[in-house]
Amino acid sequence: NAGVTQTPKFRILKIGQSMTLQCTQDMNHNYMYWYRQDPGMGLKLIYYSVGAGITDKGEVPNGYNVSRSTTEDFPLRLELAAPSQTSVYFCASRQYSGTGYEQYFGPGTRLTVT
Amino acid sequence: QQPVQSPQAVILREGEDAVINCSSSKALYSVHWYRQKHGEAPVFLMILLKGGEQKGHEKISASFNEKKQQSSLYLTASQLSYSGTYFCGTFDNYGQNFVFGPGTRLSVLP
Repeated sequence: NAGVTQTPKFRILKIGQSMTLQCTQDMNHNYMYWYRQDPGMGLKLIYYSVGAGITDKGEVPNGYNVSRSTTEDFPLRLELAAPSQTSVYFCASRQYSGTGYEQYFGPGTRLTVT
Repeated sequence: QQPVQSPQAVILREGEDAVINCSSSKALYSVHWYRQKHGEAPVFLMILLKGGEQKGHEKISASFNEKKQQSSLYLTASQLSYSGTYFCGTFDNYGQNFVFGPGTRLSVLP
């Protein structure tokens, strides 16, 4: 049981380039989330998904797109990368624990846009 | 709306106690606490659902006063391993969109 996995771990992009951050979970969780965390700051929700085929915007969706074709995968697409997108990106899935919803986080992708 | 946390940072000696507070201007239906060590992903600590509820995890406990819309995390007899940033967070009314607080950085020194 690998939990939540993310690839790549690190990436450097040039301004205007595009890339996809991969996220996979093997726990059969319906809900999945993408967060970004700027240096020294808290986590901000970019997009979330309540199940295959259903996605919705979070607090900071501009400049990103997502898709959810399977329960396991929730990729995040960056189009026309900008320096403001330099951040650490965390993917998470959640499950009901009996008392509430716990989120399980992947190890993160550290992205630098120069 | 993002919850507010205080203090922003705290430095302790091993064995000392600390309290981290989380409050919101919006009604809180639940409060979630996470800990993030430097360079790592956040790790779930506990959820509080009911008013006045208290929970414990190791020597870390928390309370939730839904009337005051605030929660407090209590770290007792702190250990070096408690160092990290503590975040509170909450789901929106529909239980889907999650908002984290800005975090409290805790440093435990020997």
